[in-house]
Amino acid sequence: EVQLVESGGDLVQPGGSLKLSCAASGFIFTSYWMSWVRQAPGKGPEWVANIRQDGSEIYYADSVKGRFTISRDNTKKSVYLQMSSLRAEDTAVYYCVVEVYWGQGTLVTVSS
Amino acid sequence: EIVLTQSPGTLSLSPGERATLSCRASQSISSSHLAWYQQRIGQAPRLLIYGASTRANDIPARFSGSGSGTDFTLTISRLEPEDFAVYYCKQYGSSPWAFGQGTRVEIK
Repeated sequence: EVQLVESGGDLVQPGGSLKLSCAASGFIFTSYWMSWVRQAPGKGPEWVANIRQDGSEIYYADSVKGRFTISRDNTKKSVYLQMSSLRAEDTAVYYCVVEVYWGQGTLVTVSS
Repeated sequence: EIVLTQSPGTLSLSPGERATLSCRASQSISSSHLAWYQQRIGQAPRLLIYGASTRANDIPARFSGSGSGTDFTLTISRLEPEDFAVYYCKQYGSSPWAFGQGTRVEIK
């Protein structure tokens, strides 16, 4: 069974930084692209970033480009999202996703 | 960049009725990479359909998906009380991924 467990969500001030982690199990981690998707309160899901199996290709949504960095550690079966220069509009539940399977999410709140 | 447009925005139906939800893509997409999700308030999205027409594990047979190219459909044959929720389509075949804006199925 695919399991994705996110952690690292917190309350952070505007302009601050935060790093999210996602621990994966139940599938061959090195065979899949990994992704982050977020959902702001009362809004639909928004794709954030994708990373190829070996990390050689990475894509970002325009809304986070230059501020967020996705990475992965295949030895730990983990994917990360380093977020900096955070804004109020980054407030959302952040989900780790592999293809069609999602974790339960971790809440990031950006507020002073 | 692919844009997904869902219609209608809201569907008002009674339990037992049939629901037909549409997802239209701005350009042709691979059927292998079109998924549907259900989301209830306060919960994470729940996978219903992937590959346009394959039901995920433990999803009741009243849910079915169809379509190809630019037009996809999610059908709920007979609505149960627990089916009143928001539904999203998603394309995940190329970056950037795209989500539809959602269809809310509400009790009439």
